[in-house]
Amino acid sequence: DTEVTQTPKHLVMGMTNKKSLKCEQHMGHRAMYWYKQKAKKPPELMFVYSYEKLSINESVPSRFSPECPNSSLLNLHLHALQPEDSALYLCASSPNVPDRELHGYTFGSGTRLTVV
Amino acid sequence: QQPVQSPQAVILREGEDAVINCSSSKALYSVHWYRQKHGEAPIFLMILLKGGEQKGHDKISASFNEKKQQSSLYLTASQLSYSGTYFCGTYIYTGNQFYFGTGTSLTVIP
Repeated sequence: DTEVTQTPKHLVMGMTNKKSLKCEQHMGHRAMYWYKQKAKKPPELMFVYSYEKLSINESVPSRFSPECPNSSLLNLHLHALQPEDSALYLCASSPNVPDRELHGYTFGSGTRLTVV
Repeated sequence: QQPVQSPQAVILREGEDAVINCSSSKALYSVHWYRQKHGEAPIFLMILLKGGEQKGHDKISASFNEKKQQSSLYLTASQLSYSGTYFCGTYIYTGNQFYFGTGTSLTVIP
């Protein structure tokens, strides 16, 4: 199994809703990432988990809350989002922690989030 | 600290060659290259780890000039399937951070 699976593929939520994005990989990768991508822009790093511990939080607002229940699973909990949070949310994984990475990242196909 | 790519966009006819450049203001530990098609996930192409390193597979190759803090991606005899947005990604020595470049949109037409 050489892929990263993200669910759901599309999500529409109101500003008062609470929802979660899910990401799963079964490649034994030690690092997992959340990225946010706006149209025609590069992915922007949000969070990095290394060995299931949060190692990097790129000053992301608290309405985004990551969780890594185990080495294969990464969640992103969403609460009280704003319309400007609408974007493609990408999950990625890599075999090693970022400062020892000798391989590239494997990305999931993303969740297209629309906040109304 | 985001690397800058050039050109921003390029249109090629099938069979033509292209070069995409990626420049950083910081010393680089490694350079990744990815291709992303519209509405899809970025796909990893290759990673360069050492200054002077060159890599390639099929008709896509890349070089890493550590002293100049830049990398170039070479696409030869382009195919329609090469269309997409190409991103470099750079890992810098200080700050333990990985940044995607500004992106280059490449369109191959028949």
